[in-house]
Amino acid sequence: GAVVSQHPSWVICKSGTSVKIECRSLDFQATTMFWYRQFPKQSLMLMATSNEGSKATYEQGVEKDKFLINHASLTLSTLTVTSAHPEDSSFYICSAIQQGRNSPLHFGNGTRLTVT
Amino acid sequence: GDSVTQMEGPVTLSEEAFLTINCTYTATGYPSLFWYVQYPGEGLQLLLKATKADDKGSNKGFEATYRKETTSFHLEKGSVQVSDSAVYFCALSDGGTGNQFYFGTGTSLTVIP
Repeated sequence: GAVVSQHPSWVICKSGTSVKIECRSLDFQATTMFWYRQFPKQSLMLMATSNEGSKATYEQGVEKDKFLINHASLTLSTLTVTSAHPEDSSFYICSAIQQGRNSPLHFGNGTRLTVT
Repeated sequence: GDSVTQMEGPVTLSEEAFLTINCTYTATGYPSLFWYVQYPGEGLQLLLKATKADDKGSNKGFEATYRKETTSFHLEKGSVQVSDSAVYFCALSDGGTGNQFYFGTGTSLTVIP
């Protein structure tokens, strides 16, 4: 149980275009989802916390207008990278948490974004 | 604030060697502790967890014991395999309604035949 599906797993796009990444909790309701960015051989960098039905909370230094997050339902959150540039190329990972104390995070398999 | 300090890598071991990856934490409350594993090109998978002091989490031959007195949650495995090669992350959850998670920097493990 507790599967998180992230799609697409790999995307290549041209500079200036927008890319949408979906994160779905398949068998549980996730009131909170998190979006991370990971650079090669580095740890996770939390970008934003997404709560269903409300605006996402962005970490310092993350541009809200560039990384649009929508958490429209208890099983779906989306991250849209707008007007992508080569420096946005990275590995983006979402995670979701079930309600309840001490629940672990469940991660998607990540999306490799390459902007040319 | 809460934080996790993890042993830096990379770590290279021969098959069947004993593995220890150190993790210590700082927390004001009563956190839950986790180890996650990331295989190349994939997301993170929960490896094991412990929710209170003296709990031992275990999975796939890996173990970690929640030590409140030393604020540690070291990951151990008695005999590693090539398939264990991955990056391991120690993590802490504050357990509150905010459900904040704090991750260590990750330790890369390579097991050679």
